[in-house]
Amino acid sequence: AQSVTQLDSQVPVFEEAPVELRCNYSSSVSVYLFWYVQYPNQGLQLLLKYLSGSTLVESINGFEAEFNKSQTSFHLRKPSVHISDTAEYFCAVSEAAAGNKLTFGGGTRVLVKP
Amino acid sequence: NAGVTQTPKFQVLKTGQSMTLQCAQDMNHEYMSWYRQDPGMGLRLIHYSVGAGITDQGEVPNGYNVSRSTTEDFPLRLLSAAPSQTSVYFCASKTGHHEQYFGPGTRLTVT
Repeated sequence: AQSVTQLDSQVPVFEEAPVELRCNYSSSVSVYLFWYVQYPNQGLQLLLKYLSGSTLVESINGFEAEFNKSQTSFHLRKPSVHISDTAEYFCAVSEAAAGNKLTFGGGTRVLVKP
Repeated sequence: NAGVTQTPKFQVLKTGQSMTLQCAQDMNHEYMSWYRQDPGMGLRLIHYSVGAGITDQGEVPNGYNVSRSTTEDFPLRLLSAAPSQTSVYFCASKTGHHEQYFGPGTRLTVT
């Protein structure tokens, strides 16, 4: 069985400051990794994903995440946040060989302050 | 494409009542799933389907039923609602190794 731990439930950050959201997973098999974002009162949208290849993946709005197999981590970073980045962020993992079921972390709520 | 649609957006039930949450997708995705979202717990898988006529249980299936008679539709039935089923419910679909696409959610309150 796989599990995902997001170490911070809330992260307050000032506008234009950097932010890092931590995600660690446990699995006995190869995995695919995802970050989803949920804006207030909306569904989840994919932010970025790691399936294979380069361990550093980027989104179109400036977020990046790095897959670290030895540390079983997939931390999400942005060098300079905007007010519009206020949202809840979920890390999720699925088995690469049977990649249907997603296991989610508990979520990290990011509040960007002016 | 409308993507993944869910109805209703909001619902209030009394304990013991039954209801069906509707989910439809127009992307011809084989895989569909239902999650519930509770504060601090992320999303937990209730039931899923890998194709029409095939369903299976997820992490928290008790109190819920599903069926998949068509590729497009994947309704979730609450047989006898309980206050513990107060939650936000999300339907999702995917194809192959791609990411899951989520619907807008149904906010359910059971009193």
